[in-house]
Amino acid sequence: GAVVSQHPSWVICKSGTSVKIECRSLDFQATTMFWYRQFPKQSLMLMATSNEGSKATYEQGVEKDKFLINHASLTLSTLTVTSAHPEDSSFYICSARGSINQPQHFGDGTRLSIL
Amino acid sequence: AQSVTQLDSHVSVSEGTPVLLRCNYSSSYSPSLFWYVQHPNKGLQLLLKYTSAATLVKGINGFEAEFKKSETSFHLTKPSAHMSDAAEYFCVVSDSPGTYKYIFGTGTRLKVLA
Repeated sequence: GAVVSQHPSWVICKSGTSVKIECRSLDFQATTMFWYRQFPKQSLMLMATSNEGSKATYEQGVEKDKFLINHASLTLSTLTVTSAHPEDSSFYICSARGSINQPQHFGDGTRLSIL
Repeated sequence: AQSVTQLDSHVSVSEGTPVLLRCNYSSSYSPSLFWYVQHPNKGLQLLLKYTSAATLVKGINGFEAEFKKSETSFHLTKPSAHMSDAAEYFCVVSDSPGTYKYIFGTGTRLKVLA
């Protein structure tokens, strides 16, 4: 149980394009989803927290116009990297949890490479 | 403020020998603590969690961790390492009640030698 699916797993695109990453909870309702960024050989950095039906809460230093987050249903959140540039290349991971005191369950991540 | 320190960035063990990954935490609240494992180019998998019940927590794949309040520690152990245990391990403390955001340690890379 508690499976989170993230798609795509790998994407390569040209500088200036926008990329959408999907995060789905397959067997539970996710009231809250989280988006993280991970640099090579480093820990996870929280980018934003999204609650279903509400605007996402972004961490300090994360550009909300650059990283658009939508959490329209209890099983789906999307992260759109707008006008992506090479410095946005990274490993992006989503997680989801049911109620507030339950653990987060993570997707397998998306490797984003901007040429 | 909550924080977590993983005392070793790299640990190497021989297959079949015990594993010890160390984690110390700081929390103003009664903490919830977690260990996650990450294999290369993958997301994180929950190994075990402590949420103020039994201090010795058993997880998946033979791992367990003991919550020691007096030492503010939550070390991860396994009696016998397997090659498939080679991965990155993260100790996590949850943030304050009301948000329960995760505070991650810097990770420990476990290498298992044949």
